Amino acid sequence: QSALTQPASVSGSPGQSIAISCTGTSSDIGGYNYVSWYQQHPGKAPKLMIYEVSNRPSGVPDRFSGSKSGNTASLTISGLQAEDEADYYCSSYTSSNTRVFGGGTKLTVL
Amino acid sequence: QVQLAESGGGVVQPGRSLRLSCAASGFTFSTYGIHWVRQAPGKGLEWVAVISYDGSDKYYADSVKGRFTISRDNSKNTLYLQMNSLRAEDTAVYYCAKDMSGVPSIDYWGQGTLVSVSS
Repeated sequence: QSALTQPASVSGSPGQSIAISCTGTSSDIGGYNYVSWYQQHPGKAPKLMIYEVSNRPSGVPDRFSGSKSGNTASLTISGLQAEDEADYYCSSYTSSNTRVFGGGTKLTVL
Repeated sequence: QVQLAESGGGVVQPGRSLRLSCAASGFTFSTYGIHWVRQAPGKGLEWVAVISYDGSDKYYADSVKGRFTISRDNSKNTLYLQMNSLRAEDTAVYYCAKDMSGVPSIDYWGQGTLVSVSS
């Protein structure tokens, strides 16, 4: 049950686009289209931003998008806004019927 | 609206036990799988355990297997986590979180309860 691999930090200026990668194995990301992404602001509970690789829940801006290729998933945020500054976590369903999270990525909006 | 409210956290000595509860409302509790996820201070999210809608299936992270037990009482719309043989590394905010309908993805989270294991 090793954690998924994410970059520790990414940054971008307002209006720019950034991408956060999330690498797993064939037992999790590569084996299922059940990758989710969560946004967490300091002191708050996580919020679902993307599910099933690329689906957005109601209320999540279409600036947020997800994709997957092989064992790596990605979250792209376009038109960066100040309120996007937060920690982002990927998660995947696994072949053991468990879940696994990534180590988290701190997004800084310059 | 969906609400998940954790309780039962606190300071506990290493080796002792603690039981967390999660009261659910705003959805049909008995039809959803529910998880415990924890977050150590300043660290990332760590999945802990999940229980199926009817309690028949339970799965655990290796780090807690044999020490923690997840359970639910659908008549009370409540989820539990019995934590035994606690260790310093179990110190974290513990969140309960529900799965989406038909999709193994967590969609709603509680606000969490802090467990601190210290002598």
